[in-house]
Amino acid sequence: GQNIDQPTEMTATEGAIVQINCTYQTSGFNGLFWYQQHAGEAPTFLSYNVLDGLEEKGRFSSFLSRSKGYSYLLLKELQMKDSASYLCAVLDSNYQLIWGAGTKLIIKP
Amino acid sequence: GAVVSQHPSRVICKSGTSVKIECRSLDFQATTMFWYRQFPKQSLMLMATSNEGSKATYEQGVEKDKFLINHASLTLSTLTVTSAHPEDSSFYICSARVPSGFDHNEQFFGPGTRLTVL
Repeated sequence: GQNIDQPTEMTATEGAIVQINCTYQTSGFNGLFWYQQHAGEAPTFLSYNVLDGLEEKGRFSSFLSRSKGYSYLLLKELQMKDSASYLCAVLDSNYQLIWGAGTKLIIKP
Repeated sequence: GAVVSQHPSRVICKSGTSVKIECRSLDFQATTMFWYRQFPKQSLMLMATSNEGSKATYEQGVEKDKFLINHASLTLSTLTVTSAHPEDSSFYICSARVPSGFDHNEQFFGPGTRLTVL
């Protein structure tokens, strides 16, 4: 079966750095996405990785290792507004998005 | 670019009534749209894939006669929840696959519709 694992919840301090991990087992791979979702809102796109390595975009970076079925989202200089759920999703061989359950990130002052 | 709108944003209805939710791609043509449902504190669950001009493909366990999907044009897909019941109360989100020419197969999401069935 297809499976995506990520921690249920994480807590970090404002100004700090946090890494949210995601491991996946899917039928085929056509890229991995990270989305941010605030409570009561739809997800918004953060990053896309299809090749191994690190993609940096401002305070957010995303890393992918296809051989390990592993990705992480790195958030630097955390701000209170970063409190949200972070969803990892993999595009499988049928170009269908397989979603993780999301990681709720709590930022404390 | 690649903006997806959804209407209404919030609806409250009585049990047994039908509710229609519209999903529009505003500045691009979307041959494929997706309908998701999300219960509190859970991840997105794909309900169906909507293809313009053809029947929708439903995920296992989703009743096609209860959740009617119509993708009549390249910019509009509708989801009708027929004979809604309280257990259908959820957050319904549509998304559209970005057309060719973009760098990757990203999906852009509508803002979601909060359905409450009394």
